[in-house]
Amino acid sequence: AQSVAQPEDQVNVAEGNPLTVKCTYSVSGNPYLFWYVQYPNRGLQFLLKYITGDNLVKGSYGFEAEFNKSQTSFHLKKPSALVSDSALYFCAVSHSGGSYIPTFGRGTSLIVHP
Amino acid sequence: GAGVSQSPSNKVTEKGKDVELRCDPISGHTALYWYRQSLGQGLEFLIYFQGNSAPDKSGLPSDRFSAERTGGSVSTLTIQRTQQEDSAVYLCASSPGTAPNEQFFGPGTRLTVL
Repeated sequence: AQSVAQPEDQVNVAEGNPLTVKCTYSVSGNPYLFWYVQYPNRGLQFLLKYITGDNLVKGSYGFEAEFNKSQTSFHLKKPSALVSDSALYFCAVSHSGGSYIPTFGRGTSLIVHP
Repeated sequence: GAGVSQSPSNKVTEKGKDVELRCDPISGHTALYWYRQSLGQGLEFLIYFQGNSAPDKSGLPSDRFSAERTGGSVSTLTIQRTQQEDSAVYLCASSPGTAPNEQFFGPGTRLTVL
């Protein structure tokens, strides 16, 4: 079984400030973790993933995420937010030993204010 | 190169009618997924195709929903006797191989059942 939680429906941040979008997960086995972004009226776009190796993963558009096994978290971060980062962000998890069908979180709306 | 395409982009139908939604995955991608996205509900997994294997239909909400994938490429999702609760955005995604690869999403089909 697998599940993922995004505890915040919305995150507000000022342009230039650091941002964090939270994600926690639950799986049996080793987790495979993903972040996707969805701009208005568009499909989801892949940002980054953790499969194995370094806990800090760097992805597209300056985003990064840190895999924390003890806290079962995979929070998305960016050092300096841009107004253009405003979008809906989804965390997803699958796991070893399964069919790799990911379970998605409900999404977090990120709003970056000028 | 060409991404995942879906048609139609919008579909308005009357309750009780049947609808067909089409997905053209990225050439060479063996895995194909269908999801349903409702406002505030995240992505709901519907069905998964991997190569020539039997599809994983575990996410289909009722027997009114079916899907096929011809020649390992194009997929069609059919909803029979549509209901108002079927109104949502239907997303298709493809990915290469069976590894935990990222998914490439199409723009979606917005279905409205009146």
